[in-house]
Amino acid sequence: AQSVTQPDIHITVSEGASLELRCNYSYGATPYLFWYVQSPGQGLQLLLKYFSGDTLVQGIKGFEAEFKRSQSSFNLRKPSVHWSDAAEYFCAVNQGGKLIFGQGTELSVKP
Amino acid sequence: DTGVSQDPRHKITKRGQNVTFRCDPISEHNRLYWYRQTLGQGPEFLTYFQNEAQLEKSRLLSDRFSAERPKGSFSTLEIQRTEQGDSAMYLCASSLRAGIGTDTQYFGPGTRLTVL
Repeated sequence: AQSVTQPDIHITVSEGASLELRCNYSYGATPYLFWYVQSPGQGLQLLLKYFSGDTLVQGIKGFEAEFKRSQSSFNLRKPSVHWSDAAEYFCAVNQGGKLIFGQGTELSVKP
Repeated sequence: DTGVSQDPRHKITKRGQNVTFRCDPISEHNRLYWYRQTLGQGPEFLTYFQNEAQLEKSRLLSDRFSAERPKGSFSTLEIQRTEQGDSAMYLCASSLRAGIGTDTQYFGPGTRLTVL
């Protein structure tokens, strides 16, 4: 069975600083990977996705992610964090149509 | 362009009562998914439909849970004889099937269930 690991439960960064959220997956074939963001009490909003092709994918709100097959990773990055980015971030892999999610990383932003 | 909607947004019930949640997907989407999310965890898959057919159910979905999508549009998730362990956020998502594994799922705002 596939699994997704987000090693960092909680990260705090200063506003304007760069951000990298880690995601590792286990899957035998080419994975279909996603990053979602969830604000408190809300549903999930899609940030970006990787199906194939260019391993650096651009998403909404200035986020990007890089697929590295050799490291089984799909890390999310943003060059300059805004206070409104404070939320919970989930990495997910598609397994036979359903999504398998990581535990999530809660991002706090310091002024 | 309306997104996925869910009703109610919040539900408080007493243990042993039955509850039903509704999900309206994005109008042209043929797939509909239910997930459950407990505090501090990522969403866990419960079940999904393609049109009106229920294609897969998780082992998490006990006999007390039933889901329907009678006309391939909206879906309902019913929990009978609720238990305190059922307290969670229930998320609905929909997608347009474009190929194996390439669906992009769009989520609704969720229904927060509290069982007292």
